[in-house]
Order: sequence, then structure tokens, then C-alpha cells
Amino acid sequence: GEDVEQSLFLSVREGDSSVINCTYTDSSSTYLYWYKQEPGAGLQLLTYIFSNMDMKQDQRLTVLLNKKDKHLSLRIADTQTGDSAIYFCAERGFTGGGNKLTFGTGTQLKVEL
Amino acid sequence: ETGVTQSPTHLIKTRGQQVTLRCSSQSGHNTVSWYQQALGQGPQFIFQYYREEENGRGNFPPRFSGLQFPNYSSELNVNALELDDSALYLCASSLEQGATSDGYTFGSGTRLTVV
Repeated sequence: GEDVEQSLFLSVREGDSSVINCTYTDSSSTYLYWYKQEPGAGLQLLTYIFSNMDMKQDQRLTVLLNKKDKHLSLRIADTQTGDSAIYFCAERGFTGGGNKLTFGTGTQLKVEL
Repeated sequence: ETGVTQSPTHLIKTRGQQVTLRCSSQSGHNTVSWYQQALGQGPQFIFQYYREEENGRGNFPPRFSGLQFPNYSSELNVNALELDDSALYLCASSLEQGATSDGYTFGSGTRLTVV
């Protein structure tokens, strides 16, 4: 079955880089996603990576994928206080006739001045 | 382009009651998925609707049911509410059962409290 794991907390200083890590189990996953959730809000898609890629960069965000180790990371450059939120990684898998996302428990990022 | 809208935003129900949550999908999306997010947890997949039929279900009992309408909007119904059903319920719309790279667009959720 699918299982996605993340560390629970990360604290960084404003201006530093943040790296949030995730491990997943479903080797058949084709897409892996990073979502951001602010207090009381829904999920905002930050970025995604296709399983045949090793890296994807999107402005301040860099996603690295190690498919052999089933390890995914999200690097946020020049972290700002507005980046404080919970970050979820998710793998896309199959269910019945369609697709579903399996989420990790989320990493709470706290950005300090 | 409108996003995913959910109603109501907050709801308080008594144990044993029934509840209906509503979701309007993003313009152009034909698939709706529902997720339950308990406090401090990641979202858990409940089910997915495509072409007005359920085409995938997570580990949730039959008292969780749904509908999809011709305009692609959807309802989640929960019967015989239990205290553990208290959670944020998220609706996500997508194109073609979530098979495209765009992924899923989530609504802001309905916070259900069962007392």
C-alpha cells in the first residue's frame, strides 16, 4: 500500500533556505506534488514533478526526486515569514478506475526573524 | 476562471445526525474527489466521482456517500455521524480523473464538528 512520511517540524531564519523532506512507498507513482496549507485554509498546489525527472526548479522552489530511494525534497530559497505554513507532499496513485493522492502528515515550517 | 467552492464553511452537528456538504468544481474540471483531514493529519482520500459515478474509494465506511451532478458539482453525505467524523472536509476538482499533470485544485474546505 501507499505510505508517505515527512518530518513534523522545521524552523529556519528569514533569508535562509528551507529543505523539507519526504519519503514515499509506491514505486508506480507517476506524479509527486507539494502542497502548502495556511491556518484555516485549503491546500494550495506549489509544484509537482513527474517521476522520470530528477529535479524541477520553479522560481524559489526546487524539487529533487531520488526515485531509487523514493525520496522527495522541496527546497525554498530565501525563506520569508509568509512561507510559514504546513507543507504536504503527496503521491498520485491509482484507485479503482481513477487516481487519488496519498498525503504525508505534513511538515510545519516556522520562519523566524 | 473560478476555483473550487465549498459550502458551508463551518458546521456543527450532533452525533447520529446526517450531514450534506457541497462542492462546485473549477471551471473545465469534470472530476471531483473528497478528502477528510483530521486535526494534525494529512488529508485522507474518501472517494472520487467521474461522469456522475463513484470510480474509486478509500478506507471509509458506506455511511460516507456522494453524488456528482451533470454540471460536475458534487455532494458528500455522511449518515449516523460519529465524534471521529469531526474534521476538515476538502473537495478537489481535476480533469479526467486526475490523470493530467495539472493535478488537483482544492477548495478551502468545510470544518465539521460533531458533538
